[in-house]
Amino acid sequence: GENVEQHPSTLSVQEGDSAVIKCTYSDSASNYFPWYKQELGKGPQLIIDIRSNVGEKKDQRIAVTLNKTAKHFSLHITETQPEDSAVYFCAAYTNAGKSTFGDGTTLTVKP
Amino acid sequence: DGGITQSPKYLFRKEGQNVTLSCEQNLNHDAMYWYRQDPGQGLRLIYYSQIVNDFQKGDIAEGYSVSREKKESFPLTVTSAQKNPTAFYLCASSSTGGAGSPLHFGNGTRLTVT
Repeated sequence: GENVEQHPSTLSVQEGDSAVIKCTYSDSASNYFPWYKQELGKGPQLIIDIRSNVGEKKDQRIAVTLNKTAKHFSLHITETQPEDSAVYFCAAYTNAGKSTFGDGTTLTVKP
Repeated sequence: DGGITQSPKYLFRKEGQNVTLSCEQNLNHDAMYWYRQDPGQGLRLIYYSQIVNDFQKGDIAEGYSVSREKKESFPLTVTSAQKNPTAFYLCASSSTGGAGSPLHFGNGTRLTVT
């Protein structure tokens, strides 16, 4: 089955700096890659996603890149703010709709 | 507002008791899911349902049971057979069960069994 590895497990940055979180996946059939943000005591929320026919997608300060050959995708957050502090999860989906999540990255943005 | 409602937010049970976690959605989504989240770990799929009256086991279904009698509702029962039931449980839905359909999550139920 699919295996998704996410790094780093914790990330601390200064406000205004950029943050990058990377995920690798094993199943070449995976074709949809969402990123979720989970704040304390809440459920995860989708923040951005990318499909396998696209290499990069951007939404304001957030971007995701996908390298299908290398089977990895990354979340980029620019100009970080304290409210970006949360746990971020990547996921990989196959056509069967089965999703596999990474173990999460705890991002702390220090003011 | 459309969304997913999980209740209760906190639940305490004695070992050996079955307990049912509620999940209701008003998004008119076909597919619903239950995930378990343990500290420092990702989300692990317990059960999912792509259509009413049908559901499939996920990666860690042992000790759990579900039903899908209505499109809006997907309750999860944690049975006494689940060896380590204390965890944070998340319910989610998606418009279809296929790839490319993002998950909408509830705010979870934290279950503590002593």
